[in-house]
Amino acid sequence: AQKITQTQPGMFVQEKEAVTLDCTYDTSDPSYGLFWYKQPSSGEMIFLIYQGSYDQQNATEGRYSLNFQKARKSANLVISASQLGDSAMYFCAMRERVVFGAGTILRVKS
Amino acid sequence: GAVVSQHPSRVICKSGTSVKIECRSLDFQATTMFWYRQFPKQSLMLMATSNEGSKATYEQGVEKDKFLINHASLTLSTLTVTSAHPEDSSFYICSALGGTQPQHFGDGTRLSIL
Repeated sequence: AQKITQTQPGMFVQEKEAVTLDCTYDTSDPSYGLFWYKQPSSGEMIFLIYQGSYDQQNATEGRYSLNFQKARKSANLVISASQLGDSAMYFCAMRERVVFGAGTILRVKS
Repeated sequence: GAVVSQHPSRVICKSGTSVKIECRSLDFQATTMFWYRQFPKQSLMLMATSNEGSKATYEQGVEKDKFLINHASLTLSTLTVTSAHPEDSSFYICSALGGTQPQHFGDGTRLSIL
């Protein structure tokens, strides 16, 4: 069985600062993929970044980067230079059975 | 642009009505589509997985006769909430998988049963 754990129900960050959203996972599959999605209050799910378990480097997409520590089974999302528009719910997910974490609500303060 | 289209975005109807929600993949063939339900400030709860041409696989606790899922083609899946009641009010969202792409989500449907 696969499981995703997001332990931060809510986070605050000052505008222009970096923030890390935690995600740990558990799976017995040797090959897997991890995703982060953003869900603004309007409801749509926005794909942010993907990390494959065999990828040699940590994934980066613009201001988003993934701190992937395979031995610790963690895939934390780092958002650099936070913007007001980053305020949303963020979900970590695994591909295989489409398992989602509980989510973290991020609020960016001006 | 959107690669998964979900329609309608909002439905308000009377108790006892059946409601159909459509999920279309626009520029890829979706071998698998997922239907989720989401309550306010909570995570997405997987309701069922549908593969084109076969019966949907429902998660434990999800009533098959209540939530009818049809995946008739590689680009269309439908969720029908039969004889909807106020407790069925929720945000329903679909997603589609094709090849090695990440899931693409529809924009969701807010269902309100009066």
